[in-house]
Amino acid sequence: GQQVMQIPQYQHVQEGEDFTTYCNSSTTLSNIQWYKQRPGGHPVFLIQLVKSGEVKKQKRLTFQFGEAKKNSSLHITATQTTDVGTYFCAGPGRGGGSYIPTFGRGTSLIVHP
Amino acid sequence: KAGVTQTPRYLIKTRGQQVTLSCSPISGHRSVSWYQQTPGQGLQFLFEYFSETQRNKGNFPGRFSGRQFSNSRSEMNVSTLELGDSALYLCASSLAPVTSGTSTDTQYFGPGTRLTVL
Repeated sequence: GQQVMQIPQYQHVQEGEDFTTYCNSSTTLSNIQWYKQRPGGHPVFLIQLVKSGEVKKQKRLTFQFGEAKKNSSLHITATQTTDVGTYFCAGPGRGGGSYIPTFGRGTSLIVHP
Repeated sequence: KAGVTQTPRYLIKTRGQQVTLSCSPISGHRSVSWYQQTPGQGLQFLFEYFSETQRNKGNFPGRFSGRQFSNSRSEMNVSTLELGDSALYLCASSLAPVTSGTSTDTQYFGPGTRLTVL
């Protein structure tokens, strides 16, 4: 089935530094979603991107969807300790002839105060 | 509005046993999806139920099954447990099916059930 690749697996930053995680698909995605999972918690929906080249912002978070709709990124400006967690991208991947939600492996963000 | 609830939160079983996990979706949501999360494989889709019908199933053996009731509550069952079934099992609810063609409705996840198989 289709895979959604996400890099890096881990990212250590000093508080105040920026952070970016990248998501890549081998095929075109109709949409992509981003989730955040705090340590010991469950995934929480952040945003969905649908249009080619779309850019959305949520305070210090900027989400982009590539022109070819095969890649996406999440950028956090001036990280804070509250940003700690694992960030997942997810798209409708092909599996067994139908579309099933396919998640990237996630990027774990560690913020050092 | 209450969120997605899952019971039990923690479970310890031995190999060969079977287990049933429960999920109550957000009020008004008719779709419930189940996921398995492990450090090795990440977050993997198990199946989705909508209006008491299984819409799609991920790449898991037949030991994994589920059902949905008329009030949209869902259960998943794992029979003949194996050590590799140890995982966090998450359910997520949404208004519309998440496996509807190429669209993906917003999913709201529950806190999960941590299953340990000894």
